[in-house]
Amino acid sequence: QSALTQPPSASGSPGQSVTISCTGTNSDLGAYDYVSWYQQHPGKAPKLIIFGVTKRPSGVPDRFSGSKSGNTASLTVSGLQAEDEAHYYCSSYAGNNNLLFGGGTRLTVL
Amino acid sequence: QLQLQESGPGLVKPSETLSLTCAVSGGSISSPTYYWAWFRQPPGRGLEWIGSIYYTGSTYYTPSLKSRVTISGDRSKNQFSLNLTSVTAADTALYYCARSRDIVVTSKFYFDSWGQGALVTVSS
Repeated sequence: QSALTQPPSASGSPGQSVTISCTGTNSDLGAYDYVSWYQQHPGKAPKLIIFGVTKRPSGVPDRFSGSKSGNTASLTVSGLQAEDEAHYYCSSYAGNNNLLFGGGTRLTVL
Repeated sequence: QLQLQESGPGLVKPSETLSLTCAVSGGSISSPTYYWAWFRQPPGRGLEWIGSIYYTGSTYYTPSLKSRVTISGDRSKNQFSLNLTSVTAADTALYYCARSRDIVVTSKFYFDSWGQGALVTVSS
């Protein structure tokens, strides 16, 4: 199975909102509501920021939100802050106890 | 507080076996509440899930690596390990170990505790 598809880059000014897409197929992302998003700052381990499509772990600001429609999931970062500049990776259960990741999106805060 | 620490050789020769260990403190790999997993990230590239292990010893692997990967657990040392055979330069990556969220309330495929990673280079 191929990786999920994400745009390589996204950007926005402080205070703005940015949405990052993650596209899969009917066999993986479209078939299950097991989508998660990870934030990764340079030199750091990934951090889970969204799971179950829309849920946030404790401590993750509500500026981060997730959604899904068909074969595409989205991560929206509202009220952009400088500290949001990082790489973001989507992930989805793909059936048969398999997990897929997207290629990652580099978010730049202008 | 849970801590995971990867360790192992930083350099492996082509065709040999990559072996890494994840030492767990502040938690137990014998807990039925969590899965434990390995991921990797080639330099400048994205994340890849390698596989997961449950306290029963059950394992799941990504299809593309399944023929070369073994994940095992050592309850007495509270650690779990990754073996990847017949490595090539394409296996050069930062390898992470991680713990899932509580599987009683959610899927075993969400990971909220990660080690800092161990860089493994495959080169002669």
